[in-house]
Amino acid sequence: DTEVTQTPKHLVMGMTNKKSLKCEQHMGHRAMYWYKQKAKKPPELMFVYSYEKLSINESVPSRFSPECPNSSLLNLHLHALQPEDSALYLCASSRQGLVLAGNTIYFGEGSWLTVV
Amino acid sequence: KQEVTQIPAALSVPEGENLVLNCSFTDSAIYNLQWFRQDPGKGLTSLLLIQSSQREQTSGRLNASLDKSSGRSTLYIAASQPGDSATYLCAVSRNTGTASKLTFGTGTRLQVTL
Repeated sequence: DTEVTQTPKHLVMGMTNKKSLKCEQHMGHRAMYWYKQKAKKPPELMFVYSYEKLSINESVPSRFSPECPNSSLLNLHLHALQPEDSALYLCASSRQGLVLAGNTIYFGEGSWLTVV
Repeated sequence: KQEVTQIPAALSVPEGENLVLNCSFTDSAIYNLQWFRQDPGKGLTSLLLIQSSQREQTSGRLNASLDKSSGRSTLYIAASQPGDSATYLCAVSRNTGTASKLTFGTGTRLQVTL
């Protein structure tokens, strides 16, 4: 099972709402990632969790709050977002945080977020 | 700051042609380079990973090469098929402590026509 599952696939939220994106993998991976991808642009790294600890935060605004409750789950809590935050949010995982030969990174299909 | 560029931005070829996608990066201090495929509205699928000490990797009709010193990689697709139509992204990685940072290229949108 080489799958990263993201829910919901689509989310529309108002600027005052609080919502969460969820990501799950059952491959025993110990590194999980959030990427943001705007239309026709490459993905940009937001956060990396390694062994359930936040390893990298790419200076993401505090209205995005990641959480890693256990080694299989990764959440992204959203609050007071702006319309420019509308994008495809991709979750990914790898066996460990360091990208090595054979340590392929697997991506989910993403959650399309629209902020109105 | 690492910058990754892919040329061409878009490419249309008839079925059966061999083609080459290019990727260049500005900082040669990379750990490895990966090629991904992304179908419209979907996530990314890893195609090939080349360690910085390697020169090339092959998987089926795909062959990726890496010239780290010149900051270049190519993805060669043999005998292209309509199912190969997608956006192809290269990404370079740099390890920082216990995690890696992937920086993606700008992508090449490939269309293979019948």
